[in-house]
Amino acid sequence: GEDVEQSLFLSVREGDSSVINCTYTDSSSTYLYWYKQEPGAGLQLLTYIFSNMDMKQDQRLTVLLNKKDKHLSLRIADTQTGDSAIYFCAESIVSGGGADGLTFGKGTHLIIQP
Amino acid sequence: EADIYQTPRYLVIGTGKKITLECSQTMGHDKMYWYQQDPGMELHLIHYSYGVNSTEKGDLSSESTVSRIRTEHFPLTLESARPSHTSQYLCASAGGDTQYFGPGTRLTVL
Repeated sequence: GEDVEQSLFLSVREGDSSVINCTYTDSSSTYLYWYKQEPGAGLQLLTYIFSNMDMKQDQRLTVLLNKKDKHLSLRIADTQTGDSAIYFCAESIVSGGGADGLTFGKGTHLIIQP
Repeated sequence: EADIYQTPRYLVIGTGKKITLECSQTMGHDKMYWYQQDPGMELHLIHYSYGVNSTEKGDLSSESTVSRIRTEHFPLTLESARPSHTSQYLCASAGGDTQYFGPGTRLTVL
């Protein structure tokens, strides 16, 4: 079965790096995603990684994938107040965005301290 | 920025009413989805579609129904709303490797 786990809260100081972790159970996952949700809004795709990759970097965001341990992380460098949101990890086991949908974690609330 | 729209954004209705939540996308995507997001913020897939005239039930059982008569339109209907239907409903469409989400409809049933 599919199960995605995330810690519920992360608190960091403004300017520090944030690292949000996720574990998944389905070894046949082909794509793993990070989405951001701000209050009252839908989900915004931040980045995704194909399962045969170890790392992907996009500006302040770095995604690391440890396929052996089924562990995915999102690092946000120089965290800003605008990064305050809920971050969802999700996996797809068909093709990317496959027709049977994504399995989401419960989301990590990122709290920024001044 | 994805072109996917949901209306209404907020809806408060009484028990027993019939409602339709609208979702439209202008990207020509064949695959579309409805997710329900509960107060604990977890998302659950309730319906999806491969394309016109295709509808499938998702992982979470739902009393809602969907239709897909046009590629760009994927409405969700509740025939008789109940307080247990209070939730946020998120529509998404997929092109290539990614799913794009609409802004959501927050439904409250009194």
